[in-house]
Amino acid sequence: NAGVTQTPKFQVLKTGQSMTLQCAQDMNHNSMYWYRQDPGMGLRLIYYSASEGTTDKGEVPNGYNVSRLNKREFSLRLESAAPSQTSVYFCASSGDSPNNPNTGELFFGEGSRLTVL
Amino acid sequence: DQQVKQNSPSLSVQEGRISILNCDYTNSMFDYFLWYKKYPAEGPTFLISISSIKDKNEDGRFTVFLNKSAKHLSLHIVPSQPGDSAVYFCAASWRRGGSNYKLTFGKGTLLTVNP
Repeated sequence: NAGVTQTPKFQVLKTGQSMTLQCAQDMNHNSMYWYRQDPGMGLRLIYYSASEGTTDKGEVPNGYNVSRLNKREFSLRLESAAPSQTSVYFCASSGDSPNNPNTGELFFGEGSRLTVL
Repeated sequence: DQQVKQNSPSLSVQEGRISILNCDYTNSMFDYFLWYKKYPAEGPTFLISISSIKDKNEDGRFTVFLNKSAKHLSLHIVPSQPGDSAVYFCAASWRRGGSNYKLTFGKGTLLTVNP
């Protein structure tokens, strides 16, 4: 059971370089999310996609772009990396059924550790 | 402004005793609350949830209590086991508001269960 798969798991960038974090889920979920985790800051939402073809900003979107390529895949792009973007990035997905109290739970990938020098 | 607060960065308990992790929230629109557990180098995993129409939900050793008037919830783990040692995140969402189940997370509490 793959669940949510993120690549790469580790990346070191120089300031100003660009890169894309890839995420894919095999649970047929409509919603996908990108979070970042920083020490003492918890998990903060960068962008989310409620369904294929739609994306919306979260709490900390500056410096990032996203693409919902299809229902399975949601990528996060850093166009010009900055040291402040050094973080662990988590992709997540969720099913959405308003009448099912057990949905709405997020399923997370294992994380991508990014260092910007 | 932090809408979900976990004021204890860490908690240490003895194996077999009760662990109580606390969480406060400020947004009265939140109507669904979840706890996630995270081990090092892994993604968070869902633990237990509670809807605002309830005040208690149990799942094995884990119980979540919700006090809406105080905007407070707590996670009880009884008995605590060394394998429970992890970071616990409290999260909240506004499902009736059509927030697409976006979760707002607290900063987490590191639980250490000593053998």
